[in-house]
Amino acid sequence: GAVVSQHPSRVICKSGTSVKIECRSLDFQATTMFWYRQFPKQSLMLMATSNEGSKATYEQGVEKDKFLINHASLTLSTLTVTSAHPEDSSFYICSARAAGGGRPYYGYTFGSGTRLTVV
Amino acid sequence: AQTVTQSQPEMSVQEAETVTLSCTYDTSENNYYLFWYKQPPSRQMILVIRQEAYKQQNATENRFSVNFQKAAKSFSLKISDSQLGDTAMYFCAFIAGNQFYFGTGTSLTVIP
Repeated sequence: GAVVSQHPSRVICKSGTSVKIECRSLDFQATTMFWYRQFPKQSLMLMATSNEGSKATYEQGVEKDKFLINHASLTLSTLTVTSAHPEDSSFYICSARAAGGGRPYYGYTFGSGTRLTVV
Repeated sequence: AQTVTQSQPEMSVQEAETVTLSCTYDTSENNYYLFWYKQPPSRQMILVIRQEAYKQQNATENRFSVNFQKAAKSFSLKISDSQLGDTAMYFCAFIAGNQFYFGTGTSLTVIP
């Protein structure tokens, strides 16, 4: 089945530094990738949607200059948290949708998530 | 507005018993798909079951089944013969317009 690899699984960084999180579709091409943020014991909040080769679409309230998303290829999307602060500490999850064919709304696969701690 | 409501923040069930998790949603879309996802302590989102809104027949996957009431916009999940490995957070969700909408989740604990 479709597998999405997300790295790193955990990262601790100092306040003011930048952190990059990678999301790779291992055995399929992903035309669309989604980035979510999840606070403890809460639901997933969509941050942005990215399509390969085009700029990401950010949800209202998400700072695009702080959360840089790049979807340079059909198998890789990255989320860079720039100038991280303790309030950026959270669990970040990516999701990828397979390209082409099949029924609509199928083929969404989630990564295993990244726990970011900013100290 | 697209919303998903899970009114049971926490539930528990004895091992081998049956439990039902409730979910209601609201959407103006005619074509959408409904899902239940499981998130165990590992935080990996695992698809439990999905339902096409245009299908009247309720989806079933082994011990998991849904009760889909389209007119009422209700989509409950029934877990039969509950197992300890079913302990997790369960999220109800639907997709409309290429975007997921998630509920706030129900934390299920299976008691030995």
